[in-house]
Amino acid sequence: SQQGEEDPQALSIQEGENATMNCSYKTSINNLQWYRQNSGRGLVHLILIRSNEREKHSGRLRVTLDTSKKSSSLLITASRAADTASYFCATDPNAGNMLTFGGGTRLMVKP
Amino acid sequence: SAVISQKPSRDICQRGTSLTIQCQVDSQVTMMFWYRQQPGQSLTLIATANQGSEATYESGFVIDKFPISRPNLTFSTLTVSNMSPEDSSIYLCSSGLAGGGETQYFGPGTRLLVL
Repeated sequence: SQQGEEDPQALSIQEGENATMNCSYKTSINNLQWYRQNSGRGLVHLILIRSNEREKHSGRLRVTLDTSKKSSSLLITASRAADTASYFCATDPNAGNMLTFGGGTRLMVKP
Repeated sequence: SAVISQKPSRDICQRGTSLTIQCQVDSQVTMMFWYRQQPGQSLTLIATANQGSEATYESGFVIDKFPISRPNLTFSTLTVSNMSPEDSSIYLCSSGLAGGGETQYFGPGTRLLVL
């Protein structure tokens, strides 16, 4: 079963704008991972944030984690048309590598 | 990152038949996982494929329907048995790195359509 929810479910923005996606989860975690999926293909790992971390950056990506609120956000800055994809958060409760996925956000970046 | 391949990439099958999906990892890993992604949905864990022992299934998934093999540390198969149209999904395998760590890497998926 899904760990939690992502919002928005769908997001449409113009190229150059920032995109923010939120993820909420229900139980305690060891880490939270964000993935991108293009058109029903395989998942590409974007970033992992551990429960003792509050923020991580990777290129145009910024992830925050608030364990007190059981939530995370993914910010994509200066979006590009190539960022169009579905984005999923996934939680790992005990570093055992078994992931529970959120519902995903479908991002469309218009050129 | 781990390199994971799956075969077939897609298939169209008749109801009542079975399909075996193969997953190959480019290094020896302790655990491999199988997920299902139904159309327009997120991913749901089917089972953990353990080398040398039976797979561990999540609630709602049973061995008779989704038998799994794990003959060595780089390979696993998932069979979708006695298929019905409700089994139409993308099936993905994943693993961590050979040296450990929390990051999970995914194969490209097998897109299955059952008529």
